[in-house]
Amino acid sequence: GQQLNQSPQSMFIQEGEDVSMNCTSSSIFNTWLWYKQDPGEGPVLLIALYKAGELTSNGRLTAQFGITRKDSFLNISASIPSDVGIYFCAGPPQGGSEKLVFGKGTKLTVNP
Amino acid sequence: DGGITQSPKYLFRKEGQNVTLSCEQNLNHDAMYWYRQDPGQGLRLIYYSQIVNDFQKGDIAEGYSVSREKKESFPLTVTSAQKNPTAFYLCASSLPGGGGQPQHFGDGTRLSIL
Repeated sequence: GQQLNQSPQSMFIQEGEDVSMNCTSSSIFNTWLWYKQDPGEGPVLLIALYKAGELTSNGRLTAQFGITRKDSFLNISASIPSDVGIYFCAGPPQGGSEKLVFGKGTKLTVNP
Repeated sequence: DGGITQSPKYLFRKEGQNVTLSCEQNLNHDAMYWYRQDPGQGLRLIYYSQIVNDFQKGDIAEGYSVSREKKESFPLTVTSAQKNPTAFYLCASSLPGGGGQPQHFGDGTRLSIL
């Protein structure tokens, strides 16, 4: 089946640094979703992207829908301790399925 | 407030026992989903339902069963046939309309073996 590859798997940064992570696929996606999961809780939707080239911000978070439609990027500016968690990308497989495919996540650690 | 409620938060299963995880939503969403999450893994789809009284197997349905008798509720039963049930289970819901509808998640149930 279709897979989403997220990188890096984990990141250790200092508070105040900017963060970049990405998600790639071997096939085209028409939607990209970015979620954050805090320990012991369910994922929360951060940003949804629906159009190639689209750049969308949510506070200090900015996500982009890649022009090739096979990748997406998430940036976090001026990181703070509460940014700690696992960030997942997700998207629907080709064929208009109701299902979503999820990447394995990028685990972010922020040192105060 | 609208949302998805999963219960219990923690659940322990004895060998040979079936256990049922509850998922209730008041978002008026037609579609509901169950995922399993293991450490270092992404979310794997167990079952999903697009409408009341209908559901489909996901990627790892073996050892699990579901029902969808009401729009608001989508309980998951982990049967004794599931030999490795220890995991974090997440329920989600979404509006209908095909791929790309964001799914909204509950806070999960952590299942362990006694």
